[in-house]
Amino acid sequence: GQQLNQSPQSMFIQEGEDVSMNCTSSSIFNTWLWYKQDPGEGPVLLIALYKAGELTSNGRLTAQFGTTRKDSFLNISASIPSDVGIYFCAGRSNAGNNRKLIWGLGTSLAVNP
Amino acid sequence: SQTIHQWPATLVQPVGSPLSLECTVEGTSNPNLYWYRQAAGRGLQLLFYSIGIDQISSEVPQNLSASRPQDRQFILSSKKLLLSDSGFYLCAWSKLAGFTDTQYFGPGTRLTVL
Repeated sequence: GQQLNQSPQSMFIQEGEDVSMNCTSSSIFNTWLWYKQDPGEGPVLLIALYKAGELTSNGRLTAQFGTTRKDSFLNISASIPSDVGIYFCAGRSNAGNNRKLIWGLGTSLAVNP
Repeated sequence: SQTIHQWPATLVQPVGSPLSLECTVEGTSNPNLYWYRQAAGRGLQLLFYSIGIDQISSEVPQNLSASRPQDRQFILSSKKLLLSDSGFYLCAWSKLAGFTDTQYFGPGTRLTVL
């Protein structure tokens, strides 16, 4: 099925560094979602975006809905060890069955204390 | 507030045995319900989704089936498990309300088929 292009696939950073990841789509989306998954657990919603250009923060996390409506990015500032996990983007397009989310393959984040 | 439960948390089953995974949602009514499988810790594959009792759509032809006997109960089944059915199974719910159809996930079931 359709997938989003999420990058980078993995990141290894030092504690305190900032992190940036993004997702792109070939079609226009009306919703972008960012999730974090800890090992052995279900994904947890971090940020939801519903308008082109929207910039939303959740603590040290900031996400933006791209103005072209085909991309989104997630930034994490001043990373800490508990930021370790897999980050997924997901989106919903205007076309087709909009009950289904289209998922990226995830960005695996490792933080070196 | 809404909560979603899955059980069992882990399961080890022999090839050819049946399977039944259960998901229940509390604190909401008429949710959309979803079953996903996640292999090798990456990538979520949508297996089934349901917009109501006995209304289930299958996304991928496979060895699995889903049922929704009650509004807030979603069951994933198999008559005969294959090795390839191993993975992390996630149930999710959403409340369709315009564009705010955000999905919320349960804790997952780790299935190992030997």
